[in-house]
Amino acid sequence: QVQLVESGGGVVQPGRSLRLSCKASGFSFRNYGMHWVRQAPGKGLEWMAVIWYDGSDKYYADSVQGRFTISRDNSKTTVYLQMNSLRAEDTAIYYCAKDSELYGSIYTFDSWGQGTLVTVSS
Amino acid sequence: EIVLTQSPATLSLSPGERATLSCRASQSISKYLAWYQHTPGQAPRLLMYDASNRATGIPARFSGSGSGTDFTLTISSLEPEDFAVYFCQQRSTWPTFGQGTKLEIK
Repeated sequence: QVQLVESGGGVVQPGRSLRLSCKASGFSFRNYGMHWVRQAPGKGLEWMAVIWYDGSDKYYADSVQGRFTISRDNSKTTVYLQMNSLRAEDTAIYYCAKDSELYGSIYTFDSWGQGTLVTVSS
Repeated sequence: EIVLTQSPATLSLSPGERATLSCRASQSISKYLAWYQHTPGQAPRLLMYDASNRATGIPARFSGSGSGTDFTLTISSLEPEDFAVYFCQQRSTWPTFGQGTKLEIK
């Protein structure tokens, strides 16, 4: 069965960096696009970024473009989110999610992790 | 950005009752709407995709309908495990989510 396990969250000061990881298992990781989605306290979900199955394409929400970088290592079945220049408004639970489309990304998320909490505070 | 508005914010029902949840888009999204179930502390679960297609392993008591701007998720007879937060998501453009409907036990 599909399992996604996020890690790397914690408390970080504004302006600093953090890298999140999402370890995948139970499916052919190299064949599926992967996403990061976050939920700030008391707010709805917000899609952050997608990386194509082979890493050839990446897209970002405007709110994190230029600050966050998504990457993947298919040999380690892991997707990453490098977060730089963190702001208080980046405080959220960060989820990784698997796209439902084989060899594509159609932005339907058929499996999710349980999330990792990032708190940006001085 | 397409805004999704879910109603009601909270729905109080008893097990065995029928639940009807609504999601309205700020512009037409054709059929490109998904529904998810989220119990706090757990991973969200895909229920429906493209408005009316049940995801793998989802019980038949869950159904979805709608197109364009108005969509509905119906749970025909509530089971205890169905009490959770439900949110909708569109993929017609860059994905956005609704604010969620909390389904609570009355």
